[in-house]
Amino acid sequence: KAGVTQTPRYLIKTRGQQVTLSCSPISGHRSVSWYQQTPGQGLQFLFEYFSETQRNKGNFPGRFSGRQFSNSRSEMNVSTLELGDSALYLCASSLGPVGGDEQFFGPGTRLTVL
Amino acid sequence: AQSVTQPDIHITVSEGASLELRCNYSYGATPYLFWYVQSPGQGLQLLLKYFSGDTLVQGIKGFEAEFKRSQSSFNLRKPSVHWSDAAEYFCAVTHGGATNKLIFGTGTLLAVQP
Repeated sequence: KAGVTQTPRYLIKTRGQQVTLSCSPISGHRSVSWYQQTPGQGLQFLFEYFSETQRNKGNFPGRFSGRQFSNSRSEMNVSTLELGDSALYLCASSLGPVGGDEQFFGPGTRLTVL
Repeated sequence: AQSVTQPDIHITVSEGASLELRCNYSYGATPYLFWYVQSPGQGLQLLLKYFSGDTLVQGIKGFEAEFKRSQSSFNLRKPSVHWSDAAEYFCAVTHGGATNKLIFGTGTLLAVQP
C-alpha cells in the first residue's frame, strides 16, 4: 500500500511570506502528526490531529498552524516566515492517537527561507 | 519533563564490526521506546519498539535493543554492521496514552568504514 505522501518535497520562500505544506496519510490511518527537523534543534513535535481535531500541540509560536480534513489529509501553515523556519518538515501517520500505534513517516518537505 | 539523551553524536565502525548506540531517557512512568533510522534525504523508518514484556526486543535489519529500567537505557545493538547501515539513528519516547507525540533524542550519525 502507498506510504505517507508529502507535497511539495522542496520549497523556497522569502521572509515574511507564508507557506502551506500537505500530508496525505496511509489509507485507513486517521492520525497525523507533524515534526520540524533542524540541525540545531533536532526533531521537534509540532502538532497532532485525529478525526479533524487537534489533540496536541508543541511549543511553537502561533505562526504555525495546521488542520485535518475529513479524509484524514492534513495541512500545516506557517505565516510570516522567518529564516529560522528553514527546516525539514516531517509528517507521520498512524491508525489512531495511541502511543503504541506505529507511526509511518513521509519523506518530508524541505523548506528554505531566504 | 520527558527527555531522551543520545550521548554519541557521531560513531564510526568498520564493516562487520559490532555496534551499540546508546540511549537514555527520563520519564516518570513506564515509557514506550522506539528506535528510528533516517537515511539522507529520507523520512524516518521504525527499527523497533518496546512497550512492555521481554526487555530484549528484535527489530528489522538485524537490530535489537535492550530496555534496562534500572539504568533508564534503551541501547540499540547489531552484531555485524553492513555498509548500508550508515545513516542517522534516533531514539524516541512517548508515554503511551492517547497521543502519538514523540520526544526524540538528538540522533547518532553512524559512518561505516570498508
